[in-house]
Amino acid sequence: DIQMTQSPSSVSASVGDRVTITCRASQGISSWLAWYQQKPGKAPKVLIYAASNLQSGVPSRFSGSGSGTDFTLTISSLQPEDFATYYCQQANSFPLTFGGGTKVEIK
Amino acid sequence: EVQLLESGGGLVQPGGSLRLSCAASGFTFSSYGMSWVRQAPGKGLEWVSGISGSGGYTSYADSVKGRFTISRDNAKNTLYLQMNSLRAEDTAVYYCAKKYSSSGNSLFDYWGQGTLVTVSS
Repeated sequence: DIQMTQSPSSVSASVGDRVTITCRASQGISSWLAWYQQKPGKAPKVLIYAASNLQSGVPSRFSGSGSGTDFTLTISSLQPEDFATYYCQQANSFPLTFGGGTKVEIK
Repeated sequence: EVQLLESGGGLVQPGGSLRLSCAASGFTFSSYGMSWVRQAPGKGLEWVSGISGSGGYTSYADSVKGRFTISRDNAKNTLYLQMNSLRAEDTAVYYCAKKYSSSGNSLFDYWGQGTLVTVSS
């Protein structure tokens, strides 16, 4: 199985800050990676698919990069509505696997 | 508008069975692979099972293999998860999720609101 390691597990940041979350795959997954945002009590929402493609309707302050084993989600200027937990997910092979999550908290 | 609506969750005793349903609308259901993903209370996301658009290909996490069965009825636009021999560790919110593309790999663009399964005596 492909292990997905996210870091950090949590980050405290202020509105306007630039936030970077990384996800490392235990083996190469090409660009088969998505980033999801989840707020308490809600279903996950896709932000980025295929490593760097912004989902329709998602603000442009979110961006994704990487391929192979190392990936990054960047929030260029953190907004109040961005405080949430973020997950990466690989779809290179079954079983599909998720990272452990990164909780973005208010500083 | 794409909508996914899960149902069938509830309280069940260890060793019991439950069938979850996910009613889909707003897209050509038979063209898209679907999956079930669960989230135990306070924990992260865990993929459970997936099925191709035709239903001809299925895959399972090791944690549920042999106990859970995924299926779909394309005439009814509905996805199912039959869960047998349930254990306490199966307690979670279960989400159905739609693949983002009719081709390509299983990244998800739409998720249902989830249904809670609680396994307890």
